Amino acid sequence: AQKVTQAQTEISVVEKEDVTLDCVYETRDTTYYLFWYKQPPSGELVFLIRRNSFDEQNEISGRYSWNFQKSTSSFNFTITASQVVDSAVYFCALMGGGADGLTFGKGTHLIIQP
Amino acid sequence: DTGVSQDPRHKITKRGQNVTFRCDPISEHNRLYWYRQTLGQGPEFLTYFQNEAQLEKSRLLSDRFSAERPKGSFSTLEIQRTEQGDSAMYLCASSLSRPRWNSPLHFGNGTRLTVT
Repeated sequence: AQKVTQAQTEISVVEKEDVTLDCVYETRDTTYYLFWYKQPPSGELVFLIRRNSFDEQNEISGRYSWNFQKSTSSFNFTITASQVVDSAVYFCALMGGGADGLTFGKGTHLIIQP
Repeated sequence: DTGVSQDPRHKITKRGQNVTFRCDPISEHNRLYWYRQTLGQGPEFLTYFQNEAQLEKSRLLSDRFSAERPKGSFSTLEIQRTEQGDSAMYLCASSLSRPRWNSPLHFGNGTRLTVT
């Protein structure tokens, strides 16, 4: 069985602070894919990033960065110099090599205060 | 690319009624997924199609739920004899054969169902 745990239910920071969203996953598959999605108040899930299990290289995209560590089964997401527009619910998700549906965590509600 | 389109956006129905939702995927995407999301939870996988074939169904999909994708394009999700526990956001997503770097799952805005 696959499982994604986002232990942080809600995080509140002041604008311009850095913030890290944690994601821990469980899977028996040797090949799998990890995702982060953003869900703003409008409700649409917006794709942010996908990582393959065989590629542990960290990635940076503007103010966003992702730290993938297979040794700890973690795929954490950091926002640098947060902005009010970053306020949303963020979901970490896992897709196994043999399964075809995404398993989502419960999400982290990020609140950026001006 | 007009994105994934879902209709209706909102549906209010009385318990025991049948409801049907429609999803139009991104035109070149051959995979289509249905998810359900309740308040404060992440989306839960219900089922998916590869072209017109329904390849996987979650245990969440009771026999009151049925999904079709008759021509491998749009899909419908029908719930028969609705129950209050069916109240949720129903999300549709589409992708190419398997998610690649340039082909993640693209989600629609969802259909919010309220069963009274």
